[in-house]
Amino acid sequence: QSALTQPASVSGSPGQSITISCTGTSSDVGGYKYVSWYQQHPGKAPKLMIYDVSNRPSGVSNRFSGSKSGNTASLTISGLQAEDEADYYCSSYTSSSTLVFGGGTKVTVL
Amino acid sequence: QITLKESGPTLVKPTQTLTLTCTFSGFSLSTSGVGVGWIRQPPGKALEWLAFIYWDDDKRYSPSLKSRLTITKDTSKNHVVLTMTNMDPVDTATYYCAHRHPTAGLGAFDIWGQGTVVTVSS
Repeated sequence: QSALTQPASVSGSPGQSITISCTGTSSDVGGYKYVSWYQQHPGKAPKLMIYDVSNRPSGVSNRFSGSKSGNTASLTISGLQAEDEADYYCSSYTSSSTLVFGGGTKVTVL
Repeated sequence: QITLKESGPTLVKPTQTLTLTCTFSGFSLSTSGVGVGWIRQPPGKALEWLAFIYWDDDKRYSPSLKSRLTITKDTSKNHVVLTMTNMDPVDTATYYCAHRHPTAGLGAFDIWGQGTVVTVSS
């Protein structure tokens, strides 16, 4: 299975909205509602931000939202804040009953 | 409160077998729906999913590493153990164990351990 495709970097100014894409195939992203998003600050463990495409775990800011269209899932961060600067990873369940991660996206707050 | 902590050697030699232990608290791996996964991250690189074990002992492995991985659980000790054979320098990474989100699908890990750094070098 190949890693999901994410842009290497996305940037935005404080207060703006940005969207990170995660492209797979009909055997993973497109075939299931099991897409998750993680935030990872340097030297830290990943933190679950979105699960099952669009659900937010308790305690995660509602500035983070997820969606999916076809084989591409998206994470939108609205009202960008300095603390949002981090790496973001998507993951998806696959038709092989396994899991695959994306290559990661570095978010920079200008 | 759910916590997980990885433990194991920090340095292994090429061709050796790596054994990592995930010790957890705050949940039981005998409870329906519960699962624990292993994920690794080479320095400066992306996350890579390795393996997963469910409460009913159902096991899943990364297709590219399946021949080298074994995941087991010891419910009485609250441990999940991952073994990886024939270690290579490219396996140098931080290895994480993580708890499956209780109501989400596979791949939604809501609580992660701090990670343990494993270096493969002679």
